Amino acid sequence: DAKTTQPPSMDCAEGRAANLPCNHSTISGNEYVYWYRQIHSQGPQYIIHGLKNNETNEMASLIITEDRKSSTLILPHATLRDTAVYYCIVRVGTTGTASKLTFGTGTRLQVTL
Amino acid sequence: EADIYQTPRYLVIGTGKKITLECSQTMGHDKMYWYQQDPGMELHLIHYSYGVNSTEKGDLSSESTVSRIRTEHFPLTLESARPSHTSQYLCASSPPGRADTQYFGPGTRLTVL
Repeated sequence: DAKTTQPPSMDCAEGRAANLPCNHSTISGNEYVYWYRQIHSQGPQYIIHGLKNNETNEMASLIITEDRKSSTLILPHATLRDTAVYYCIVRVGTTGTASKLTFGTGTRLQVTL
Repeated sequence: EADIYQTPRYLVIGTGKKITLECSQTMGHDKMYWYQQDPGMELHLIHYSYGVNSTEKGDLSSESTVSRIRTEHFPLTLESARPSHTSQYLCASSPPGRADTQYFGPGTRLTVL
């Protein structure tokens, strides 16, 4: 799996967009970018994933640069409940086999009033 | 919103007791997982299952056992709890063809005295 680099922490005002960057300069052509988050004392939560096109779902948007060496997770209107550690993971998409998730240190997002 | 449930949420128990942590999902997912996580530390995969009657050990050696008799149910059992088993246990599942998209339950926080 390609290595990812994320800033250790970020702050965001409630109601504003939170833009969380991730560098994955060694990503290979068949590797996907996944984002998860973990709110304190809870299990991780899947957010979104993509290969090369930008993706959007009800939780967030994922913007992947054209060279695929970096991506940005966007929470369009952050709320206090979005305070969590956000993990960017790069994985070859596994289909039939079970897959162990390995999180790095992630970005601790603090949403403030 | 993922429908995966774990009970109990919190358990405090004495050394030597047998315990079973319950995990169930109503999404029809074929793959299920058990992770162990200490506060502020990384996830460790301890068991996984490809489907009914399939169970495998994960990367982290664990004295627990699992069973998968029904698709929706993946209980974890400790025959004789010890203080070293104190941790948070997280159950997850993933749909067919999407092993890297895992949906987590709320976790069981186990304390063995």
